[in-house]
Amino acid sequence: EAGVAQSPRYKIIEKRQSVAFWCNPISGHATLYWYQQILGQGPKLLIQFQNNGVVDDSQLPKDRFSAERLKGVDSTLKIQPAKLEDSAVYLCASSLGTGVGNQPQHFGDGTRLSIL
Amino acid sequence: AQSVTQPDIHITVSEGASLELRCNYSYGATPYLFWYVQSPGQGLQLLLKYFSGDTLVQGIKGFEAEFKRSQSSFNLRKPSVHWSDAAEYFCAVGAATARQLTFGSGTQLTVLP
Repeated sequence: EAGVAQSPRYKIIEKRQSVAFWCNPISGHATLYWYQQILGQGPKLLIQFQNNGVVDDSQLPKDRFSAERLKGVDSTLKIQPAKLEDSAVYLCASSLGTGVGNQPQHFGDGTRLSIL
Repeated sequence: AQSVTQPDIHITVSEGASLELRCNYSYGATPYLFWYVQSPGQGLQLLLKYFSGDTLVQGIKGFEAEFKRSQSSFNLRKPSVHWSDAAEYFCAVGAATARQLTFGSGTQLTVLP
């Protein structure tokens, strides 16, 4: 099966600019996750969707980050305006269901964001 | 709140040597435990998982992990490391009723020829 697709792979912007990332999950996977992975750290969940509804966005900095999942398939994550501390790899993952116990997440290769 | 500690930031082993990566978790009930591997420039790949039953679980690429409730540990092992195993390894924990995983900070593995 095709994996989780993300684009772009790399992005360099200046602080205060805006940026958007795109994710296409594995076909049929209802749950989609966006993670932020800062260098030297493990992934941190930003937002979780079940179909096109938000399940958990408690760690999403909503003053600058936004995300949507149109028609319960593809998703975009946007940062506006970007700050230096947003430099990280942004990982998208998907799974069949929401329960951790039975649905290990499948990850995309990520988008590496550098803020100048 | 659940948490995961990977005490070793960086480990170096020689090719062919055995490997053990440590993972300690903090959680009130029986957790769901995972090990993922991340090669440079790539996403995470699931190596193995423990939900219940036999405390020694086998994964892909010759890896295994043992759940020890008394020590709150879930250490990853491999009897003979290959150069292609060089990567970063993440331990993760999730509650049975939770929707998300909590990841450790990772252990970077270097394999010497």
